[in-house]
Amino acid sequence: DTGVSQDPRHKITKRGQNVTFRCDPISEHNRLYWYRQTLGQGPEFLTYFQNEAQLEKSRLLSDRFSAERPKGSFSTLEIQRTEQGDSAMYLCASSLAGTGGNQPQHFGDGTRLSIL
Amino acid sequence: GQQVMQIPQYQHVQEGEDFTTYCNSSTTLSNIQWYKQRPGGHPVFLIQLVKSGEVKKQKRLTFQFGEAKKNSSLHITATQTTDVGTYFCAGNFGNEKLTFGTGTRLTIIP
Repeated sequence: DTGVSQDPRHKITKRGQNVTFRCDPISEHNRLYWYRQTLGQGPEFLTYFQNEAQLEKSRLLSDRFSAERPKGSFSTLEIQRTEQGDSAMYLCASSLAGTGGNQPQHFGDGTRLSIL
Repeated sequence: GQQVMQIPQYQHVQEGEDFTTYCNSSTTLSNIQWYKQRPGGHPVFLIQLVKSGEVKKQKRLTFQFGEAKKNSSLHITATQTTDVGTYFCAGNFGNEKLTFGTGTRLTIIP
């Protein structure tokens, strides 16, 4: 079990630029989740995939955000035209599929995004 | 909306004292999970509670799920320095995602 890996660990960019993050889940996990976490807050759900299908997106996810999981393995999260408010830790988690969300989620170390 | 509230936000205890964090939802939960996040780290799954009134123990940690499945608590007996971190509850409302509480940050005074 190599765990969930995320790349890059840190990203500093200027406002208005596009950024893309990558997440590699635990290999046997078919569910993959993206969260955003700001200082002093809990992880905030953004979207999740089961295999390659994106099954739910948060209303918080504006049109500038897009996520893909093309082959049901790794996933990418892209933010276009970044804004100051996008500065946060972006966490990826994976799990086995279950009903009612009752499977433990395994988190990666996250990508910390700083917008200048 | 479906929210999970958690109190207190911070807790400072002397090493050896007990610690409790509480989680509340305005609507019934399907299940609740607890996670621990060390400073600079990522959330790590601790436990899941599913049944009304369920109590589970992990060494010095005791987790409870309320009878109405709207609240939960985590109690740590005789805290140690290794318990430092932020404890999050994460509720599931019958869909496929978790709604995290704001967390309780535990610091230990040696």
